[in-house]
Amino acid sequence: AQSVTQPDIHITVSEGASLELRCNYSYGATPYLFWYVQSPGQGLQLLLKYFSGDTLVQGIKGFEAEFKRSQSSFNLRKPSVHWSDAAEYFCAVGEGSNYKLTFGKGTLLTVNP
Amino acid sequence: GAGVSQSPRYKVTKRGQDVALRCDPISGHVSLYWYRQALGQGPEFLTYFNYEAQQDKSGLPNDRFSAERPEGSISTLTIQRTEQRDSAMYRCASSMTGAREKLFFGSGTQLSVL
Repeated sequence: AQSVTQPDIHITVSEGASLELRCNYSYGATPYLFWYVQSPGQGLQLLLKYFSGDTLVQGIKGFEAEFKRSQSSFNLRKPSVHWSDAAEYFCAVGEGSNYKLTFGKGTLLTVNP
Repeated sequence: GAGVSQSPRYKVTKRGQDVALRCDPISGHVSLYWYRQALGQGPEFLTYFNYEAQQDKSGLPNDRFSAERPEGSISTLTIQRTEQRDSAMYRCASSMTGAREKLFFGSGTQLSVL
């Protein structure tokens, strides 16, 4: 069965600093990979997704992620964090059947001024 | 509508009562999903509809949980004889055609079973 591991439960960074959120997945075939962000009181919002092709994908709000098959990873990065990026971030893997996502437990990001 | 709408936003109920949670997806979205999110966890798949057809209900925990989407639009998730372990955030999402497309999530219904 597929699974997603987000090793960091909580990360604190200073505004303007760079950010990397880790995600490792377990899936037999080529995975469909996603990053969603959840702000308090809001629904989850898609940041970016990877299906195939270029392993470096660009998303909204200045985020990017890199798919590394050899490491089974799909880490999320941002060169300079803004206070408004404080939220919970979820990595997810999709099955080939195209409808079921398995989410990680999430990483809570705190941004210090 | 402009986004996925879920109601009620909060539901407090006593153990043993039945509850019905409503989801109004974005107009024209074919696919509708229900997820459950416990505190400190990521969303967990419950069930999925294409139009009015329930394609997969493998994530429903037991037979106290059921869902319907009779006209291919609004969906209701019903939990019968609620138990304290059912307490969680229940999230609905919709998409044009499938999870590989962008999922639009509602704000969720926070269910508390006392």
